[in-house]
Amino acid sequence: TQLLEQSPQFLSIQEGENLTVYCNSSSVFSSLQWYRQEPGEGPVLLVTVVTGGEVKKLKRLTFQFGDARKDSSLHITAAQPGDTGLYLCAGGRGGATNKLIFGTGTLLAVQP
Amino acid sequence: KAGVTQTPRYLIKTRGQQVTLSCSPISGHRSVSWYQQTPGQGLQFLFEYFSETQRNKGNFPGRFSGRQFSNSRSEMNVSTLELGDSALYLCASSLAKASGRWVNNEQFFGPGTRLTVL
Repeated sequence: TQLLEQSPQFLSIQEGENLTVYCNSSSVFSSLQWYRQEPGEGPVLLVTVVTGGEVKKLKRLTFQFGDARKDSSLHITAAQPGDTGLYLCAGGRGGATNKLIFGTGTLLAVQP
Repeated sequence: KAGVTQTPRYLIKTRGQQVTLSCSPISGHRSVSWYQQTPGQGLQFLFEYFSETQRNKGNFPGRFSGRQFSNSRSEMNVSTLELGDSALYLCASSLAKASGRWVNNEQFFGPGTRLTVL
């Protein structure tokens, strides 16, 4: 059972365009993390959000945690070829466990 | 600070064999989690260790096992390999506790071990 659904699954855009990736669940999470993964490598942590409604910015990337802590979004402004990769959201329940529930993933290709 | 290291990076085995994968967490991190990544199922949680104790286990058969040593290094073992075990196996380390309190479970991943079962 996949608890975190990401959309879109695939996205191919031109350099300079903006995009938004969505991560949705019917479950509440205590934290939501976003990762980017490149072929043959492990996921690299981009950001962690923990408060409902929280917005975090990382250069051209803006992350938002839904008010009810069930969903999140990642917005990229003026995408660059270096943004190409697999974007994964992952929800944590907190407490005495580090188990993460991963989303289905969004494969982004930014064409120069 | 060195990141998470996993060895070996690549493995080729045949059905029925067993395999042991190793993970060294970031210095100071006491929690190690293992995940399996496949194209069809994505990233799935295998198990988590903290202070040499398994804290949580995913929905995988008993052929998948793991352990953690006193220096926080961890190994996972898969016995009686099946074709469907071909995957990228990822290890993630986390601080888990700071000043005696559980902290947000930010996890840092290693590069993975690519296992191919023939």
